[in-house]
Amino acid sequence: LAKTTQPISMDSYEGQEVNITCSHNNIATNDYITWYQQFPSQGPRFIIQGYKTKVTNEVASLFIPADRKSSTLSLPRVSLSDTAVYYCLVGDISNRGSTLGRLYFGRGTQLTVWP
Amino acid sequence: DVKVTQSSRYLVKRTGEKVFLECVQDMDHENMFWYRQDPGLGLRLIYFSYDVKMKEKGDIPEGYSVSREKKERFSLILESASTNQTSMYLCASSLSGVEQPQHFGDGTRLSIL
Repeated sequence: LAKTTQPISMDSYEGQEVNITCSHNNIATNDYITWYQQFPSQGPRFIIQGYKTKVTNEVASLFIPADRKSSTLSLPRVSLSDTAVYYCLVGDISNRGSTLGRLYFGRGTQLTVWP
Repeated sequence: DVKVTQSSRYLVKRTGEKVFLECVQDMDHENMFWYRQDPGLGLRLIYFSYDVKMKEKGDIPEGYSVSREKKERFSLILESASTNQTSMYLCASSLSGVEQPQHFGDGTRLSIL
C-alpha cells in the first residue's frame, strides 16, 4: 500500500522557486509517480510524471532519488496563477484483480503564492 | 484535447433515493475511474474500469456500484443514498498502461438531504 504524505500547505512569493516533497516509503517496483494540480471548482490536471531520476517539462521538474521513497515537484518562478492544490499520486493499475490500495492520491498540498 | 464530461455540476437528492452519476469521455480511453473528494481527505478511489463491462473495486466501494456498457461512458450508482455520501465526485479516464496520466472531469457536487 503505497500511501503518500505531503505538507498540508505552503506559501511563496511571486518569482520564487517552490519545491513540494512527497513521501512514499512503500512504493512498489511498478509504481510511477505523478503530480496533479487542482484549481477550485475544477478537476485535477496532469503536471508531470516520472519513475526515477529527474524529469523536466515546460512547467515543472520532478526529482526522484535512487531509493524512490520520496519525490520533489519543483515549480520555477511561480506566479499568482500557480496558487492551487498539488497532489502526488503513486500507483500501478496494470495488474488485474483488485485496485484496492494500489492508487493513492493523498491529501494534497495547498500552495498559496503572494504578490 | 481530451474531454471528460460529467452530466451534472450540482445535484441534490434525498436519503434512500437511487442516484446515477454519468461520465462520458471522447478520446477512446480504455480506463475510467470514479473518485470522491472530501475536505482533508484528498481523492479516494471508488471504482475503476479497464474495459467495457469490466470493473474493479477501489478503496471505498461500499454503498456504490458502477456500470460500463459502452467504452466512452462510465456510470456511478448510489443504490440507496445516505447523508454520508454527500461529497464531490470526480470521474477520470486514461489510456491503458501504468504510465498514462488521468484526465479528469470538473466534478459533480452531490448533496444528500
